[in-house]
Amino acid sequence: DAKTTQPNSMESNEEEPVHLPCNHSTISGTDYIHWYRQLPSQGPEYVIHGLTSNVNNRMASLAIAEDRKSSTLILHRATLRDAAVYYCILRDPLTGTASKLTFGTGTRLQVTL
Amino acid sequence: DAGVIQSPRHEVTEMGQEVTLRCKPISGHNSLFWYRQTMMRGLELLIYFNNNVPIDDSGMPEDRFSAKMPNASFSTLKIQPSEPRDSAVYFCASGIGGGSGNTIYFGEGSWLTVV
Repeated sequence: DAKTTQPNSMESNEEEPVHLPCNHSTISGTDYIHWYRQLPSQGPEYVIHGLTSNVNNRMASLAIAEDRKSSTLILHRATLRDAAVYYCILRDPLTGTASKLTFGTGTRLQVTL
Repeated sequence: DAGVIQSPRHEVTEMGQEVTLRCKPISGHNSLFWYRQTMMRGLELLIYFNNNVPIDDSGMPEDRFSAKMPNASFSTLKIQPSEPRDSAVYFCASGIGGGSGNTIYFGEGSWLTVV
């Protein structure tokens, strides 16, 4: 699996936007960029994914660089409930089956009042 | 939807005992994954199944660990005999293949302590 690099930790104030970066310089043409997060004492949960174009959903936005070697997860207004470890993962989709997720160390986001 | 259901949620057992963790994937999903999480090693993939068939078990630590998926709605992860270093949170996850998403849904985990 292609490797991703993320900062170990970041801090944000509540109600402010957060930009979580991810570098993936060895990404292949078929790799999708997925983001998951893990809240304390819970299993990881899906946040967002994309291939080339920027993506928005109710949880976050994903901005993908034109060369696809980096991406940024954007939380538009961080809340205390967004404090979690955020994982950036590359996945090559397999026809008919779900390909595995390989987790790195992620970015631990702290949100303060 | 009930989501991925794991049992037991918490287990404390003595070294040498057999431990069986259970998982019910989301109905209709054809892939199932077992992960282990510790402070030292983070989230590690142990094994995953597609259409009830084990595809990759290279993450299984040793012969003491075994996993089965007898049907599409049930899987077990067994540790026999258990050791203190097996203490971890074990997550089961399921997904459905095809398309761009391949989103995987995780259970709440089974918290295992071996004393």
